[in-house]
Amino acid sequence: GAGVSQSPRYKVTKRGQDVTLRCDPISSHATLYWYQQALGQGPEFLTYFNYEAQPDKSGLPSDRFSAERPEGSISTLTIQRTEQRDSAMYRCASSPLRTTDTQYFGPGTRLTVL
Amino acid sequence: AQSVTQLGSHVSVSEGALVLLRCNYSSSVPPYLFWYVQYPNQGLQLLLKYTTGATLVKGINGFEAEFKKSETSFHLTKPSAHMSDAAEYFCAVSDQTRGKLIFGQGTELSVKP
Repeated sequence: GAGVSQSPRYKVTKRGQDVTLRCDPISSHATLYWYQQALGQGPEFLTYFNYEAQPDKSGLPSDRFSAERPEGSISTLTIQRTEQRDSAMYRCASSPLRTTDTQYFGPGTRLTVL
Repeated sequence: AQSVTQLGSHVSVSEGALVLLRCNYSSSVPPYLFWYVQYPNQGLQLLLKYTTGATLVKGINGFEAEFKKSETSFHLTKPSAHMSDAAEYFCAVSDQTRGKLIFGQGTELSVKP
């Protein structure tokens, strides 16, 4: 596609519910990143994919968070049993490869857990 | 471990005045450094980046930044602010092994008429 897209743009859920966020990267890009951005803070790394491989999950806050990219394109981030502290902007970015390549960010999904 | 510190969470300038947004980094390896801008309800957009070579980097919209290794700084400047520059600005350093970005906390720039 022309750019990185994310859906939904806004999600309000109740504590304890599961949510799934979607990222559709730029079609030719091999690498996909997920970041979490709390209000008033910079984005923080969650995990990344190189095609369908997920070499680094070190930023995922707990085992309630999981991500997948089964065919090396679209990715989903799932949060199980949501808690109020999960409320944040979730940002997805893609890049042609790692290291020096520019990361192109999507508009983000604003998650609010009541 | 790598880290980024942005001095000043909020900067206000008058239209036409110099813009200076400060960024200091910590890195045990030669850093790759980035400035991103975030407009309301939009994604982060790359302004400029430094990887290797010339230490003065020019970006979009008239912004530039200078990598100063001795000062571990990568400050962002623009000679003359425009109303359209009002946004939040993030400095970041790249983990070269995994490519993940480590961001500062951001600086919100306001431009007064």
